[in-house]
Amino acid sequence: AQSVSQHNHHVILSEAASLELGCNYSYGGTVNLFWYVQYPGQHLQLLLKYFSGDPLVKGIKGFEAEFIKSKFSFNLRKPSVQWSDTAEYFCAVPPSGGSYIPTFGRGTSLIVHP
Amino acid sequence: DVKVTQSSRYLVKRTGEKVFLECVQDMDHENMFWYRQDPGLGLRLIYFSYDVKMKEKGDIPEGYSVSREKKERFSLILESASTNQTSMYLCASSLRNQPQHFGDGTRLSIL
Repeated sequence: AQSVSQHNHHVILSEAASLELGCNYSYGGTVNLFWYVQYPGQHLQLLLKYFSGDPLVKGIKGFEAEFIKSKFSFNLRKPSVQWSDTAEYFCAVPPSGGSYIPTFGRGTSLIVHP
Repeated sequence: DVKVTQSSRYLVKRTGEKVFLECVQDMDHENMFWYRQDPGLGLRLIYFSYDVKMKEKGDIPEGYSVSREKKERFSLILESASTNQTSMYLCASSLRNQPQHFGDGTRLSIL
């Protein structure tokens, strides 16, 4: 079964610091990958997605992620965080094979101090 | 834009009550999901449905049931609510292999 690991459970940064959140997946075949974000009091929403093509994916609000197949990784990055980036971030893999169930990482709680 | 609507943002019920959480999506998605979200545990899948009247257990189905009589509506039922079911409940819908769209969540407290 597919698994997704997010190694950073809690991250605390100051504004303007650079951000990188780790995400590793287990499946070695063709893989699609998503990052979702949940701002305080809001619904989970898609931040960015990778299906194929350019391994560097741009998302909303200045976020990007790089798919590195050899490392089974899809890390989320932002060069300079803002207080408004405080949120919970989830990495996910959509269903594959005969499954209907996406696989989510445990999530990373990011707090950005002004 | 896809809209997933959960019937209540906050709900307070008593132990032993039968509780209904409703979810409606407006984009003709075949797949719908119910998760619970607890601090430190991420999202845990309770049930999902890939078609009308079709349902499959997720990781934590005990104490819950679901109903999908129409494509747009997916209901979660707590047969006899217990305090350990106090949680945030999230509904989501999607097309196969596409990103999910989530509702705002229902924060359920069982007293």
